[in-house]
Amino acid sequence: DTAVSQTPKYLVTQMGNDKSIKCEQNLGHDTMYWYKQDSKKFLKIMFSYNNKELIINETVPNRFSPKSPDKAHLNLHINSLELGDSAVYFCASSDSLPGQGIYEQYFGPGTRLTVT
Amino acid sequence: LAKTTQPISMDSYEGQEVNITCSHNNIATNDYITWYQQFPSQGPRFIIQGYKTKVTNEVASLFIPADRKSSTLSLPRVSLSDTAVYYCLVGGGATNKLIFGTGTLLAVQP
Repeated sequence: DTAVSQTPKYLVTQMGNDKSIKCEQNLGHDTMYWYKQDSKKFLKIMFSYNNKELIINETVPNRFSPKSPDKAHLNLHINSLELGDSAVYFCASSDSLPGQGIYEQYFGPGTRLTVT
Repeated sequence: LAKTTQPISMDSYEGQEVNITCSHNNIATNDYITWYQQFPSQGPRFIIQGYKTKVTNEVASLFIPADRKSSTLSLPRVSLSDTAVYYCLVGGGATNKLIFGTGTLLAVQP
């Protein structure tokens, strides 16, 4: 069974479009995250939710909006896509809050977004 | 904000011990140090986590000096399958900041 799953795995779209990436975890974790990995392989956190509540919101354009319908799901919606949004987006989950210190994050397989 | 830097790449041979360092000069008092392994086209995978001194598990050891401004991931007797990118992650303290290091590509040769 896949612990953290993301759909789609690949997403190719044109500038200006709106797209969503879905994430689901079956680990019973309370905290979920979205990360962006750019072409240089740098990983940067975007958002974190705990029990459907936003707890980390890094400096990300407001075209990116996370939505957590329940604690097992954290979706990422992106409006007006730009070339610079091309990257691999990873979802992750953990069973403790960042801030509690002890946590191990489980990552999904990633969604490769290409904006043309 | 903790800025974390790592060597871009390292080479090793099978059976050798490999030590990968991470510099995090601005680490906060309550921040933890975590290391992840990433294979191509996969998400990062947890290796080990520590706060100070030394931590050891079945796959690696983590050394953290008293000033906590750096950390060293030690992989004993690497194999070809250890070829991957290794990231340190600093954070988890009260500020809720999570900062990944720049990543180190470890290439293990036979």
